[in-house]
Amino acid sequence: GAVVSQHPSWVICKSGTSVKIECRSLDFQATTMFWYRQFPKQSLMLMATSNEGSKATYEQGVEKDKFLINHASLTLSTLTVTSAHPEDSSFYICSARSWTSGEETQYFGPGTRLLVL
Amino acid sequence: AQSVTQLDSQVPVFEEAPVELRCNYSSSVSVYLFWYVQYPNQGLQLLLKYLSGSTLVKGINGFEAEFNKSQTSFHLRKPSVHISDTAEYFCAVSPRSNDYKLSFGAGTTVTVRA
Repeated sequence: GAVVSQHPSWVICKSGTSVKIECRSLDFQATTMFWYRQFPKQSLMLMATSNEGSKATYEQGVEKDKFLINHASLTLSTLTVTSAHPEDSSFYICSARSWTSGEETQYFGPGTRLLVL
Repeated sequence: AQSVTQLDSQVPVFEEAPVELRCNYSSSVSVYLFWYVQYPNQGLQLLLKYLSGSTLVKGINGFEAEFNKSQTSFHLRKPSVHISDTAEYFCAVSPRSNDYKLSFGAGTTVTVRA
């Protein structure tokens, strides 16, 4: 199946710093990628839809200036958490949209755990 | 808008016993239905999906699910579980449109004991 990678897998940073998370589709091109956030023991919440070559679409309540998304190529989307604070600590998961034999599927990355001290 | 309800937050089960995870959804439009599994500290892996056709869908690792339109349900089953099936299971739906946004249920934690 299709593979999506994320880097880094975990990161610890100081409050006030910015953190960039990469999401790559390794063996397919993805014009659309999604970014989710997952709190412990909870479900995934969609943060934004990342479209190659255009601005991301953010879900209601998600600060676009706080969570910067760049989808510069068909295989790479990045999420930058700017001026991170402890409440931004979470598990961030991306997914990439793939078309195979006329069917659409989302493939998920392994996630990035962010801890802001 | 779509919403997904997973009726069981935790399901303990003995090895080789059957398991059923319940999922109900509500939507004003037609949807696609999915089950994902998440192992500890990992991302989600697709177990199976219903797009159209036969309402009984077979997935990986011996799982299957049945779409019931009248009851708006998509329950997941496995006739005999293994220790390795211990994980978090998420039911999800997306509208039959181009935006393909997934809405997830709260998840069901399956713990398989010997």
